[in-house]
Amino acid sequence: AQTVTQSQPEMSVQEAETVTLSCTYDTSESDYYLFWYKQPPSRQMILVIRQEAYKQQNATENRFSVNFQKAAKSFSLKISDSQLGDAAMYFCALTGTASKLTFGTGTRLQVTL
Amino acid sequence: EPEVTQTPSHQVTQMGQEVILRCVPISNHLYFYWYRQILGQKVEFLVSFYNNEISEKSEIFDDQFSVERPDGSNFTLKIRSTKLEDSAMYFCASTRGRPSIAGELFFGEGSRLTVL
Repeated sequence: AQTVTQSQPEMSVQEAETVTLSCTYDTSESDYYLFWYKQPPSRQMILVIRQEAYKQQNATENRFSVNFQKAAKSFSLKISDSQLGDAAMYFCALTGTASKLTFGTGTRLQVTL
Repeated sequence: EPEVTQTPSHQVTQMGQEVILRCVPISNHLYFYWYRQILGQKVEFLVSFYNNEISEKSEIFDDQFSVERPDGSNFTLKIRSTKLEDSAMYFCASTRGRPSIAGELFFGEGSRLTVL
């Protein structure tokens, strides 16, 4: 069984500052993939960033980067230079060889002026 | 840009009634999914569908649920006899291949189901 845990129900960050969202996971598979999805108030989830477990290098997409600690089973998301448009619910997700994604409970990010 | 579309956006129904939620996945995608999100809770996997059959389903997806792709474009989720606990946001998703290979799932905006 796979589990994903997001221990921060809500986070707040000031515009232009940096925030880190936490995620831990558990899986028995050796080959797996981790994702961060963003769900803005319009409700459609969109992919933010993706990490293959076999890659040691942390994934980066513009202002978004991850800190992937495989031994600790930790996969945090760092948002740099936060913008008002970053306000959303963020979900951490995991998949292995199965076709489904397993999601965490989400972290609601508020961005303040 | 192609997107996954879902209808209706919101449906209110009486307990015991049948509900059909509709989805139009992205046209060249091969894997289709239904997820649900009860208010304030996590997004839960219901079922995946590939090659015109269910490839995986969760414990939630019991005999009251069914899926089909009746015409090669629509992908529907039917709940035969709704219960109060079926009230949730239902998300359809599609991908070209397995998420491990294709890279991401594309989600629709969701259908909110309210069972009274």
